[in-house]
Amino acid sequence: DAGVIQSPRHEVTEMGQEVTLRCKPISGHNSLFWYRQTMMRGLELLIYFNNNVPIDDSGMPEDRFSAKMPNASFSTLKIQPSEPRDSAVYFCASTSLAGNTQYFGPGTRLTVL
Amino acid sequence: ELKVEQNPLFLSMQEGKNYTIYCNYSTTSDRLYWYRQDPGKSLESLFVLLSNGAVKQEGRLMASLDTKARLSTLHITAAVHDLSATYFCAFHLGGATNKLIFGTGTLLAVQP
Repeated sequence: DAGVIQSPRHEVTEMGQEVTLRCKPISGHNSLFWYRQTMMRGLELLIYFNNNVPIDDSGMPEDRFSAKMPNASFSTLKIQPSEPRDSAVYFCASTSLAGNTQYFGPGTRLTVL
Repeated sequence: ELKVEQNPLFLSMQEGKNYTIYCNYSTTSDRLYWYRQDPGKSLESLFVLLSNGAVKQEGRLMASLDTKARLSTLHITAAVHDLSATYFCAFHLGGATNKLIFGTGTLLAVQP
């Protein structure tokens, strides 16, 4: 299995631009999670989906952030407009509903200038 | 408040020494996880502990769980440089959710 796939791996953009991060979960996994990691705030859960349905988006920082999961094999996290404080590593993780472990993707390092 | 406290936050140790990282969590949980993160890399699952008294070992690392004390430990035996990384514990929130609550991480630096 290829594991969780994220793209792009690195993204540098200017303040005000739209950013879209992509994630392909492990095949057969029913839950998908978006995390953000920074030195100051550590690892934060932004949102998670069960069976493509958003279950908990309480970690989404503000309306500039949105996430979708149109099917079982694809999810996006969009930031519009981006701000320098959004600079972080964004991880996607997946697990099966009956599983015990979340498997993390390689992450996307986002830099907003 | 749902939280996980790891102690210490930073640990510098010499090769060959033993040490323990502590993880206290704030509410009843049925699962406790340990992850490892190398600099600039993703999180890699190390252990899943599913019951009180559970102990798991992999190489020089051994994890244990005391659900009554809401405490998990990660014991390092005869540390080697390759163990240098950040170690996270996380507990499962329970119920129908798959949500995990992560600790702040312990940065382990093993000096030769």
